[in-house]
Amino acid sequence: DIQMTQSPSSLSASVGDGVTISCRASQSVGTYLNWYQQRPGRAPELLIYSASSLQSGVPLRFSGSGSGTDFTLTISSLQPEDFATYYCQQSYSTPKTFGQGTKVEIK
Amino acid sequence: QVQLQESGPGLVKPSETLSLTCTVSGGSISSHYWSWIRQPPGKGLEWIGYFYYGGSTNYNPSLKSRVTISTDTSKNHFSLKLTSVTGADTAVYYCARDQVKPTGNWFDPWGQGTLVTVSS
Repeated sequence: DIQMTQSPSSLSASVGDGVTISCRASQSVGTYLNWYQQRPGRAPELLIYSASSLQSGVPLRFSGSGSGTDFTLTISSLQPEDFATYYCQQSYSTPKTFGQGTKVEIK
Repeated sequence: QVQLQESGPGLVKPSETLSLTCTVSGGSISSHYWSWIRQPPGKGLEWIGYFYYGGSTNYNPSLKSRVTISTDTSKNHFSLKLTSVTGADTAVYYCARDQVKPTGNWFDPWGQGTLVTVSS
């Protein structure tokens, strides 16, 4: 199985701050890397697919980058609705695996 | 716009079989891959497996001996069966469309999820 490791596990930030979340794969996944946002009590929602493609309807303040084993999710200016948990997920091979999540909390 | 809705018992006894259904609306179940994903309370996400309407399946090896995913195209839904459940199977269970494109594949959309508790 490909292991996905996110860092940090949690972070505190203020509205308007820029935030970066990292995701590392235990082996190369090319650009078969997706990012999801999960608000409390809600199902995950797709933010970024194929490492850097923004899902329709997702605000432009979200962006993704990387390839191979190292990936980054960036939120350029945090908004109140962005306080949530973020997961990366590799779709390069089965079993499809997720990172452990990064919780973004209000400072 | 495709929407998914999970349904099934919220409580299952240990050693019994967990059975859930995902009803798809706003689109056909045909010509797509469909996955089940679960999330134990307070924990991360685990992919259970997928079904392709053409008949192929792919399961997480960690659950493969206990899992069956199947579909009923006439009713536009697909189902999950997990046998011999224990407390470790307590989780919110999500169904999702597995979008497969030349550039990759991803889960979108997701159902709202249903909590299944394993307890006597």
